[in-house]
Amino acid sequence: SAVISQKPSRDICQRGTSLTIQCQVDSQVTMMFWYRQQPGQSLTLIATANQGSEATYESGFVIDKFPISRPNLTFSTLTVSNMSPEDSSIYLCSADRGGSTDTQYFGPGTRLTVL
Amino acid sequence: GENVEQHPSTLSVQEGDSAVIKCTYSDSASNYFPWYKQELGKRPQLIIDIRSNVGEKKDQRIAVTLNKTAKHFSLHITETQPEDSAVYFCAATIDSGGYQKVTFGTGTKLQVIP
Repeated sequence: SAVISQKPSRDICQRGTSLTIQCQVDSQVTMMFWYRQQPGQSLTLIATANQGSEATYESGFVIDKFPISRPNLTFSTLTVSNMSPEDSSIYLCSADRGGSTDTQYFGPGTRLTVL
Repeated sequence: GENVEQHPSTLSVQEGDSAVIKCTYSDSASNYFPWYKQELGKRPQLIIDIRSNVGEKKDQRIAVTLNKTAKHFSLHITETQPEDSAVYFCAATIDSGGYQKVTFGTGTKLQVIP
C-alpha cells in the first residue's frame, strides 16, 4: 500500500479567501485523486491528477474554483478558491499505482471550516 | 456514468451476530469492487476487494460476493465485534481512459452492540 500524508489536517478560513492543501505520497504513483466528503456523506470525486498534464474535473467542479497541481509523481496540491461556507467539508487525496493495481489509498483528510 | 446504491444506510447488530451490506451498480463495464471502512474522524481504509472475474472472496471474518449478471455485490461480516463499528463504503471501479475511476456507495453505518 501507499503511505499518504496531507497538510494541513484542519483549518478555519474566512469567506473569500483561498486554501491550498498538500498531498504527499511515499512512493511514485501514476494517478492522484481529490475527493470531497461532507459530514455524514459519501466521497465525491473532484478531479483526477496525472503528472505533467492538466487535471480532469468531474461534473460540478471547475478548475477556477479547485485548481490542482501535480508537479511530480509523489506530490499534488488542491486549492479551494474564493471560499464560502458551502465549501466547509473534508478534502481527501488518494492515489493508486496504476497498472494491474486498482486500489486507491487515502490520505488522512483536511477538515476545512469556512466562516 | 456509474451509479452505486448501498443498503442499508444504518445497521445495528448484537456482538457475535453477522452483518450484511448490499450494493448494486449500473455500469456492466465496472470490473473492480473495493470495500472501505471509515472510523469516525479517520481516513477510509480498504478492507477487502473483489474483481469481476471472481464470485467470492474471504478474509477471516469478512467475505464479499459478486453477482455480475445481477450487478450486485455484498459484504458479509461474521462474528461481529465492537471494533467493527464504523461506516462502510462499497465502490465500483471502471477503466476511464487510462485510470480507474471509483464511484462510492452512500455508506452504511454499522453499530455493533456489546
